[in-house]
Amino acid sequence: GQQVMQIPQYQHVQEGEDFTTYCNSSTTLSNIQWYKQRPGGHPVFLIQLVKSGEVKKQKRLTFQFGEAKKNSSLHITATQTTDVGTYFCAGRSGPGMRFGAGTRLTVKP
Amino acid sequence: GAVVSQHPSWVICKSGTSVKIECRSLDFQATTMFWYRQFPKQSLMLMATSNEGSKATYEQGVEKDKFLINHASLTLSTLTVTSAHPEDSSFYICSASIEQFFGPGTRLTVL
Repeated sequence: GQQVMQIPQYQHVQEGEDFTTYCNSSTTLSNIQWYKQRPGGHPVFLIQLVKSGEVKKQKRLTFQFGEAKKNSSLHITATQTTDVGTYFCAGRSGPGMRFGAGTRLTVKP
Repeated sequence: GAVVSQHPSWVICKSGTSVKIECRSLDFQATTMFWYRQFPKQSLMLMATSNEGSKATYEQGVEKDKFLINHASLTLSTLTVTSAHPEDSSFYICSASIEQFFGPGTRLTVL
């Protein structure tokens, strides 16, 4: 079945450093979504990418969808303490979404 | 914006009892709802897809007789964990619509 792999599992950065998390799928995805989950909270939708090679930006966050629609990345420029949480990618190639394992980001002030 | 609620937000029950979790779309109609389970420090795992007026579609390895799903209206889907055991303790999250509007989740603890 479809699998979505996400790396790294953990990332600890100094405030101001950049951060990137990567997702890879074993199958072509119709779209990919990114979520942020704070400890104790539920996933909060960040963005959806649909087109091959698509790049979207939200302030310090840059999202990319690969040309083959099998991989994606989320890059945060100059992290802040408010960026802490677990970032999940989720891909669709059927009903429901298949979530990656998530990348837990901690930021040292 | 699209709001999805879940009730209860947390529940503690004894082993062997059944627990019903409700997922409601408050300001929109959802013909499709999804149920996920998340164990501590793990990712979300899709359990089933709930379609209004028809039987739910369960993911491989999810027991349909244990996790009963009813999607009787366009705004309500319910998940009933039957004969709950401690290993069923988890965070259960629903989402509504293809756009995946998530509910706040229900934390189930089975003693």
